[in-house]
Amino acid sequence: DQQVKQNSPSLSVQEGRISILNCDYTNSMFDYFLWYKKYPAEGPTFLISISSIKDKNEDGRFTVFLNKSAKHLSLHIVPSQPGDSAVYFCAASHQGAQKLVFGQGTRLTINP
Amino acid sequence: KAGVTQTPRYLIKTRGQQVTLSCSPISGHRSVSWYQQTPGQGLQFLFEYFSETQRNKGNFPGRFSGRQFSNSRSEMNVSTLELGDSALYLCASSPYAGAGDTEAFFGQGTRLTVV
Repeated sequence: DQQVKQNSPSLSVQEGRISILNCDYTNSMFDYFLWYKKYPAEGPTFLISISSIKDKNEDGRFTVFLNKSAKHLSLHIVPSQPGDSAVYFCAASHQGAQKLVFGQGTRLTINP
Repeated sequence: KAGVTQTPRYLIKTRGQQVTLSCSPISGHRSVSWYQQTPGQGLQFLFEYFSETQRNKGNFPGRFSGRQFSNSRSEMNVSTLELGDSALYLCASSPYAGAGDTEAFFGQGTRLTVV
């Protein structure tokens, strides 16, 4: 049972435009959500997170939106840059559990 | 501050053998978690250790085991290797146990190939 789903395996965006990566979850116990970025042959790097008490968190070019009623979150990257090309993983956890549940990942390609 | 260090980076083993992977967390971090990444399954949680105790375990067979030492360094062991165990094994450290509201910091991983 895939509790965290990223339905788009890949996304291609032109440099300078907005990239929107989506993530859905099924477990209503999740109360903390994270996005990680991963380059080939490297471990995931933390990007941004959001607690379930918020609906938006912003950090520079990255904004995460959380819609609890729809059990959906999204990551917006504006403007997109070539260095943003990587695989992005959505992850979720709940209070008391160090375990992170990851989505399958979305490969983002930024075209010049 | 040094990051999470995993050794070795690459490993090739034969079916039936066993393997031990090592992880040194960030200094001061006491929680270490292990994940397996495969192309078909994404990142899947193996287990978490805090203060030398396993706190949480994923849905993996008993061939997968781990331990944590008093200095927070952790090892995971896979016995009787199968071809399907070929994967990138990632270790993540964080300061606390059961802290669902903090990010985990990942190492670069150990790429295990079973032939």
